[in-house]
Amino acid sequence: GQNIDQPTEMTATEGAIVQINCTYQTSGFNGLFWYQQHAGEAPTFLSYNVLDGLEEKGRFSSFLSRSKGYSYLLLKELQMKDSASYLCAADNAGNMLTFGGGTRLMVKP
Amino acid sequence: DTAVSQTPKYLVTQMGNDKSIKCEQNLGHDTMYWYKQDSKKFLKIMFSYNNKELIINETVPNRFSPKSPDKAHLNLHINSLELGDSAVYFCASSHVGGRNTGELFFGEGSRLTVL
Repeated sequence: GQNIDQPTEMTATEGAIVQINCTYQTSGFNGLFWYQQHAGEAPTFLSYNVLDGLEEKGRFSSFLSRSKGYSYLLLKELQMKDSASYLCAADNAGNMLTFGGGTRLMVKP
Repeated sequence: DTAVSQTPKYLVTQMGNDKSIKCEQNLGHDTMYWYKQDSKKFLKIMFSYNNKELIINETVPNRFSPKSPDKAHLNLHINSLELGDSAVYFCASSHVGGRNTGELFFGEGSRLTVL
């Protein structure tokens, strides 16, 4: 079966750093996606990790450990516009992504 | 130009009715999907359609039927609507390379409300 877990909500302060964790158990695994979804909008792509390690892209970085079934999304220099839901999704090699429930991040001044 | 477009954006209807949501992508992708996002924001895969191969999530009731007239279109037809069908339905597309599912490009979503 597929199981993807991430915290439901997180709160952080503008300018700070926040790490959103995701653990997964899937039958078959190619890689791990992170998507951002603002309220009332469609999810948009942030990152895709296939190999173990850290991928950095501007203020956002994503980490993957395949042996531990674990990933995190790191957001630096938080801005108010980063308030959104962050969705972890596993590519289970079946031509479909399985999404976690999403982590709602609230950035406060 | 909108890459993945779906219509209608809002749909309000009575229980028992039949409705359709249309989706079109102009990205040249070979795979299209329907996802359902409920009130708890859980995004669940419903269908994947690739080169006339339909992959169905077995938890989806057979009242839901996808129809793909061509590679650029994947429509969703729902029969005998129930209250629990109220959700936002997202269409998406990707280019599947080998065994890897490519990045998903989502439409803006269609909010269905069943009264």
